[in-house]
Amino acid sequence: GAVVSQHPSRVICKSGTSVKIECRSLDFQATTMFWYRQFPKKSLMLMATSNEGSKATYEQGVEKDKFLINHASLTLSTLTVTSAHPEDSSFYICSASWGGGEGQPQHFGDGTRLSIL
Amino acid sequence: RKEVEQDPGPFNVPEGATVAFNCTYSNSASQSFFWYRQDCRKEPKLLMSVYSSGNEDGRFTAQLNRASQYISLLIRDSKLSDSATYLCVVPASNTGKLIFGQGTTLQVKP
Repeated sequence: GAVVSQHPSRVICKSGTSVKIECRSLDFQATTMFWYRQFPKKSLMLMATSNEGSKATYEQGVEKDKFLINHASLTLSTLTVTSAHPEDSSFYICSASWGGGEGQPQHFGDGTRLSIL
Repeated sequence: RKEVEQDPGPFNVPEGATVAFNCTYSNSASQSFFWYRQDCRKEPKLLMSVYSSGNEDGRFTAQLNRASQYISLLIRDSKLSDSATYLCVVPASNTGKLIFGQGTTLQVKP
């Protein structure tokens, strides 16, 4: 089955630090990847759609200058949380659609638990 | 109506019980649906895809009622390992995005 790898799985750092999270599709090419954030006991909230070779599409209310997304290849998308603050502490998860078409399920990375002190 | 709505539960059931969750959706044009399972502090994992009237995989059965715009997930002979949050997911039209319900929490007790 499709495998999506996310790294790192856990980050603890000081306020003001920038944190980079990688999402890789291991056995398929993903022209589109998705970045989500999930707070405790809440549903996944889509942050942005990462498009290979072009700019990401951000959801309403998500600061594009705060959450930088780069999708330079068909197997790698990165999310950088710039100048992170305690309120950015959350579970960040990426996903990719194997089939690529509309209506296809997405396969998720392991997630990154970010804690900002 | 919310785009995707689920009863958050929790559903507390004994081992061996049969339990069913419902999920309603607002977009009548939706053609495919998914149930994901999410364990505490873990990523969601695809449990079942539903493209027609329903799908069955072992102890799990998903049914789709297009007229009433709801999807159900039935779990038979519940196991302790079934304890998790079950997410109802509906693709957003023409975007490739998925819309997640808030999830239904199941706790299977010995």
